[in-house]
Amino acid sequence: EVQLVQSGAEVKQPGESLRISCKISGYTFSSYWINWVRQMPGKGLEWMGRIDPSDSQSNYSPSFQGHVTFSVDSSISTAYLQWTSLKASDSAMYYCARQAVVQFYLGMDVWGQGTTVTVSS
Amino acid sequence: EVVLTQSPGTLSLSPGERATLSCRASRSVTSAYLAWFQHKPGQAPRLLIYGASSRAAGIPDRFSGSGSGTDFTLTISRLEPEDFAVYYCQQCGTSPFTFGPGTKLDIK
Repeated sequence: EVQLVQSGAEVKQPGESLRISCKISGYTFSSYWINWVRQMPGKGLEWMGRIDPSDSQSNYSPSFQGHVTFSVDSSISTAYLQWTSLKASDSAMYYCARQAVVQFYLGMDVWGQGTTVTVSS
Repeated sequence: EVVLTQSPGTLSLSPGERATLSCRASRSVTSAYLAWFQHKPGQAPRLLIYGASSRAAGIPDRFSGSGSGTDFTLTISRLEPEDFAVYYCQQCGTSPFTFGPGTKLDIK
């Protein structure tokens, strides 16, 4: 069974750093991009960007470029989303979702369950 | 950036009725890269349609997608109680891969 399992909810203070994870199973890690999607409270879905696990090549949405970093650890089939200095406005639900590298048109077909990040002083 | 606009913002219908949701792009989107998602509270989004008109695995045939260029449509032929949710279109042909603002489908 294909699964993307995300790390648990986080509560942080402004200025702190954070890394959340997305561990995959049931398929070849390098064959699918990992996308990151944000949903702020009461708002819609926003594409943050994606990373290719085969070479760690990343594409960032301009809205998130410079504020977050994507990475992978292929030895444990895990993708990461990282902040070095959180802001209150980073409070949101974050989803990872896979998308085939070759058959890209098939879309983001499997999603993680989401990680809630709360940033508050 | 390709801006996607969805209409209506909210659609109130009864089970058994037909739902028609619209997604309009600010410039032409390759049909192969237009998808529709269903999102329910407390759950992850679910891929319904990819390539503008192809149903994802396990999606009932009451869901259908159509359109090309800048105008795309998601149709739910006969609403079931479990279909009441928020629906998003998304394009992944031009980075950044934008989502529309969503259409909330609620029970009348």
